[in-house]
Amino acid sequence: QVRLVESGGGVVQSGRSLRVSCAASGFTFSSYAMRWVRQAPGKGLEWVAAISSDGNNEYYADSVKGRFSISRDNSKTTLFLQMNSLRAEDTAVYYCARGRGAGGNSYFDYWGQGTLVTVSS
Amino acid sequence: QSALTQPPSASGSPGQSVTISCTGTSSDVGGYNYVSWYQQHPGKAPKLMIYEVSKRPSGVPDRFSGSKSGNTASLTVSGLQAEDEADYYCSSYAGSNNFVFGTGTKVTVL
Repeated sequence: QVRLVESGGGVVQSGRSLRVSCAASGFTFSSYAMRWVRQAPGKGLEWVAAISSDGNNEYYADSVKGRFSISRDNSKTTLFLQMNSLRAEDTAVYYCARGRGAGGNSYFDYWGQGTLVTVSS
Repeated sequence: QSALTQPPSASGSPGQSVTISCTGTSSDVGGYNYVSWYQQHPGKAPKLMIYEVSKRPSGVPDRFSGSKSGNTASLTVSGLQAEDEADYYCSSYAGSNNFVFGTGTKVTVL
């Protein structure tokens, strides 16, 4: 069955960096676009970043553009999110999700359980 | 990109129906048939309930249905059950590989 498992979250000081990962299994990882979605404590969902199935195209929400970088290793079926210059407002649970339809732009059919990133000042 | 607008809360008694609206613009909801809905129980990951406006994934009860008119999409839950109590989020493709989510609606089963 499809499984997405995030890891790498934790407490980090404002201005520092952190990389979170998402290990995928149960499907042909290299055939699917993937996305990161975050949810601040008690708040709604926010799309953060997207990457094409081959890793050649990346897209970012304006709120993280220039600070975050999405990547993937199809040989290790793992998705990454490198987060630099972290701010308090980046505190959230970060979910990875599999994109479907229209190049992965239609909907997200599987989600991981999330990893909590807390940025302290 | 502004979040799609949903009512903060909705409620109904067991067996009743509840409808949640999701209002966007012609650049997102009105411009594409790529509206989806997600159910989220406390402390859990979101779960896909409806995709491409009105399609239901395998395993989702047919009590859940979706529709769209202009810039507003809707999710209807018929025959409410206790386990339907959760937060619900709509989302839409917004062009140029951008995605936007709704503000979320807390559904309470009275």
